Amino acid sequence: AQTVTQSQPEMSVQEAETVTLSCTYDTSESDYYLFWYKQPPSRQMILVIRQEAYKQQNATENRFSVNFQKAAKSFSLKISDSQLGDAAMYSCAYSRDDKIIFGKGTRLHILP
Amino acid sequence: DTAVSQTPKYLVTQMGNDKSIKCEQNLGHDTMYWYKQDSKKFLKIMFSYNNKELIINETVPNRFSPKSPDKAHLNLHINSLELGDSAVYFCASSQAVTGGIYNEQFFGPGTRLTVL
Repeated sequence: AQTVTQSQPEMSVQEAETVTLSCTYDTSESDYYLFWYKQPPSRQMILVIRQEAYKQQNATENRFSVNFQKAAKSFSLKISDSQLGDAAMYSCAYSRDDKIIFGKGTRLHILP
Repeated sequence: DTAVSQTPKYLVTQMGNDKSIKCEQNLGHDTMYWYKQDSKKFLKIMFSYNNKELIINETVPNRFSPKSPDKAHLNLHINSLELGDSAVYFCASSQAVTGGIYNEQFFGPGTRLTVL
């Protein structure tokens, strides 16, 4: 069975600094998707970034980028120039077929 | 226009009651989901429907019954509510899964259920 592990329950970063959230997963499949979702205090789940496993190039969305290491089954999220609005719960997710499996999340605090 | 909507946003009820949470999506998606988020914010899938047909049914008590009258709606009905059912429930939708590859899910705002 597939699993997703986020080993950092909470992290803090100074405003304007860079922070990296870690995520590892376990699967025997070669084709799948990986996601990072953001959930601010308002509770709305928002997709931050998506990575297709067959693409070697790391996905990037403005200040958000990932470091996708397929062999190591690692999918970390880097947030550059952190802003107060980035404070949220960040969940890593693996998906294939009809399922999406979430990690337990990392709560990110932004320090002014 | 809201893409995925849920009603109600908050639901407070007594133990033993029966309640429903409604979900509607206007994205034209074929697949809809229900998730339960526990107190530690862990999101766990409960059900998934594709074109009104149940495709995922995780281990949840049979007091929980999803109902999909059409592919734009997936309602969650809960019988004999228990204290442990208190949680935030999220509805989501996506395009139909093709070729074994998953598509982005769009989430509703969530419904906070409190059982007293």
